[in-house]
Amino acid sequence: NAGVTQTPKFRVLKTGQSMTLLCAQDMNHEYMYWYRQDPGMGLRLIHYSVGEGTTAKGEVPDGYNVSRLKKQNFLLGLESAAPSQTSVYFCASSYRSGQGALSYEQFFGPGTRLTVL
Amino acid sequence: AQSVTQPDIHITVSEGASLELRCNYSYGATPYLFWYVQSPGQGLQLLLKYFSGDTLVQGIKGFEAEFKRSQSSFNLRKPSVHWSDAAEYFCAVAGGTSYGKLTFGQGTILTVHP
Repeated sequence: NAGVTQTPKFRVLKTGQSMTLLCAQDMNHEYMYWYRQDPGMGLRLIHYSVGEGTTAKGEVPDGYNVSRLKKQNFLLGLESAAPSQTSVYFCASSYRSGQGALSYEQFFGPGTRLTVL
Repeated sequence: AQSVTQPDIHITVSEGASLELRCNYSYGATPYLFWYVQSPGQGLQLLLKYFSGDTLVQGIKGFEAEFKRSQSSFNLRKPSVHWSDAAEYFCAVAGGTSYGKLTFGQGTILTVHP
């Protein structure tokens, strides 16, 4: 099992450019999340998905869009990048337990370091 | 709304010394609590979690944490620190949502001196 993987690992953009970050998980998890990590602020939730074809906004969704066309993939898009979006982006996934309850345990990818000039 | 505070931004200890990292949470009901570790340039790895039951939980790499409801705390401890423990540590709380939202503290950077 590769777990949660993220592509790319590093990226530099110019202001106004667009890009898509890809997250893939091979654990058949229902839930997937995108976070951003900034110094001194911990991780903040951007968007999340509770299943294939469904997405919802988290704490800091402005400037980002997401899609989950397949259960194993969760894409994060920046349509017009801004310097304020310079950050490290983490994807995570979670699962339901055997009784159907949410486990709350999240598995994280290695992160994507994005710089917007 | 739930929140997590890690009062110490940076802690330095000598190798072999004991360690305690503080975590205080705010949540109305019984929380689900987590400690994650992040090595430089890496993702987050789960150290341990508390859902219910015994308030002293054991984790990986020799770490343990104690849930104290009266103090709203979930402090992380290790009796003897190794140089490889140098990393950033995050406390997180979950509960009250249908989608498993985790709220993270600001993180504590641990430096280990030889």
